[in-house]
Amino acid sequence: GAGVSQSPSNKVTEKGKDVELRCDPISGHTALYWYRQSLGQGLEFLIYFQGNSAPDKSGLPSDRFSAERTGGSVSTLTIQRTQQEDSAVYLCASSLEVTQYFGPGTRLTVL
Amino acid sequence: AQSVTQPDIHITVSEGASLELRCNYSYGATPYLFWYVQSPGQGLQLLLKYFSGDTLVQGIKGFEAEFKRSQSSFNLRKPSVHWSDAAEYFCAVGAGTGGFKTIFGAGTRLFVKA
Repeated sequence: GAGVSQSPSNKVTEKGKDVELRCDPISGHTALYWYRQSLGQGLEFLIYFQGNSAPDKSGLPSDRFSAERTGGSVSTLTIQRTQQEDSAVYLCASSLEVTQYFGPGTRLTVL
Repeated sequence: AQSVTQPDIHITVSEGASLELRCNYSYGATPYLFWYVQSPGQGLQLLLKYFSGDTLVQGIKGFEAEFKRSQSSFNLRKPSVHWSDAAEYFCAVGAGTGGFKTIFGAGTRLFVKA
């Protein structure tokens, strides 16, 4: 596609359930990033991929969070046993070199 | 360590007035610098970027930014604000090539009054 796409656009879940968020980067972009944006806050870096490997996982807030990328393309961010504090917008970005291009985000609400 | 400071949490300007959003960064070498805009419910859109060369950078939607090494600043400007410019603006700094961790400022929310 022309831009970064994310699905679902909105996700409402119950506390304790697992969720999967998907990101489709711009075709050919080798790097992929996940960020979290809580209400009224800036961007919190979570993880980035270069190809299928994740050189920097330093931003993952707990071991309930994990991410994978397959085929150098699609990435999935998984949150296990969701908590209310996980409620946020999760943004994905991709890049070929320095400039990152963002998707529209997935709004996650944990009840 | 790299860091980005946007000193103004929010700014209100009148439509047609000029705008300047401040950004200061901390980085040891020449940084890559970015401004992004986020409209309500939307993702981030790149406004402009500075890598090297001319320190005055032109972007989309009539925005420009000036890199001042001596002040470690990269302020965003627009000569005449439109109501549609109301949004959140993020300054960011990055380094290296290929994938890397871009550091974002906390953002400045712009309100435009009629």
